[in-house]
Amino acid sequence: GQQLNQSPQSMFIQEGEDVSMNCTSSSIFNTWLWYKQDPGEGPVLLIALYKAGELTSNGRLTAQFGITRKDSFLNISASIPSDVGIYFCAGRWGSQGNLIFGKGTKLSVKP
Amino acid sequence: EPEVTQTPSHQVTQMGQEVILRCVPISNHLYFYWYRQILGQKVEFLVSFYNNEISEKSEIFDDQFSVERPDGSNFTLKIRSTKLEDSAMYFCASNPGTINQPQHFGDGTRLSIL
Repeated sequence: GQQLNQSPQSMFIQEGEDVSMNCTSSSIFNTWLWYKQDPGEGPVLLIALYKAGELTSNGRLTAQFGITRKDSFLNISASIPSDVGIYFCAGRWGSQGNLIFGKGTKLSVKP
Repeated sequence: EPEVTQTPSHQVTQMGQEVILRCVPISNHLYFYWYRQILGQKVEFLVSFYNNEISEKSEIFDDQFSVERPDGSNFTLKIRSTKLEDSAMYFCASNPGTINQPQHFGDGTRLSIL
């Protein structure tokens, strides 16, 4: 089945630093989504990407849909304590298909 | 902003019992999904539902599981004869059905099987 490799597994950074995480897939997707999950809550959508090569920003967050359609990255600039949480990438084939999730990147920010 | 709502937030059930998890998707959405997240692991797809029938299901979604849209607003997941390994967070999600739209997730139901 389709697999997503998300890295790094965890990050410990100082407030103000930039963060980068990425996902790679064994097969192509036509949608990449990035979600954030806080403890005890559901995934919250951060950025959605629908076109190979697309670069999209949402405030301090920037994500790109890889040109090969097999990868995506998420950057967070000038991190703040509320960025703490688990970030998941998710890929989808088809406009309504189920999402394949990465294993998540746990972000810890030290004030 | 419209939300996917799930009830209960936490369900504790004896092994072997049946449990029904409830979801109210966003009102104008047409596609509905259930996902599962075992503690500390990634989110896994269970089933998708469209036009009053299952459109796709994973190998996790076996005969123990069923879904239903009993009325115009609710979407339920029934788990029969629960097992210890069914303990997990169960997330409902919905999607408008138009092209290039993401899935929106509820806050989940934590299912604990004793």
